[in-house]
Amino acid sequence: NAGVMQNPRHLVRRRGQEARLRCSPMKGHSHVYWYRQLPEEGLKFMVYLQKENIIDESGMPKERFSAEFPKEGPSILRIQQVVRGDSAAYFCASSAKGAYEQYFGPGTRLTVT
Amino acid sequence: EDKVVQSPLSLVVHEGDTVTLNCSYEVTNFRSLLWYKQEKKAPTFLFMLTSSGIEKKSGRLSSILDKKELFSILNITATQTGDSAVYLCAVGLHADKIIFGKGTRLHILP
Repeated sequence: NAGVMQNPRHLVRRRGQEARLRCSPMKGHSHVYWYRQLPEEGLKFMVYLQKENIIDESGMPKERFSAEFPKEGPSILRIQQVVRGDSAAYFCASSAKGAYEQYFGPGTRLTVT
Repeated sequence: EDKVVQSPLSLVVHEGDTVTLNCSYEVTNFRSLLWYKQEKKAPTFLFMLTSSGIEKKSGRLSSILDKKELFSILNITATQTGDSAVYLCAVGLHADKIIFGKGTRLHILP
């Protein structure tokens, strides 16, 4: 299966803990995007990365959120000291260089208790 | 501020009906308009439109873009219950960024 993979699919964290969400892009894709989707809302862009570079992080909250896409391994979205408002579905998408069609992973549903 | 607005927000029709979903946008550095279908999981890609007036078709789905009036429509003919989903419109901007509308929730009654 060469699709976008995300894990875990479901993640429960207590307030104040850290959440780490992983995304492996489709084979051959070098661009990764992270989106957040709140219930009954559309997808909100968070960050766009290429290997070892953050290209656009204009949608990321300034504090507690960070993202990376290392040379080897998956892209990671990290949320430190989670709060209830961080509960959402987090989708990762990937695209080939120069292409606008993004292909989405199944998402990670984060619940903060 | 760049924005994508979809209408209606929700729609209920009977199987066999034809539906038209609307998407208007106000953005700088427009590059493309995309449609996605989202069921209870990740969005799946439907169409990408970059040129005005050229219809794209895939089975019972079709879409067209008007870059002068800044909108696109997605048509679904002879709807089936499997078409029930949220349909997302998105605009691709310069530097590969995409912004999404809130979606139209379509429900097809048998």
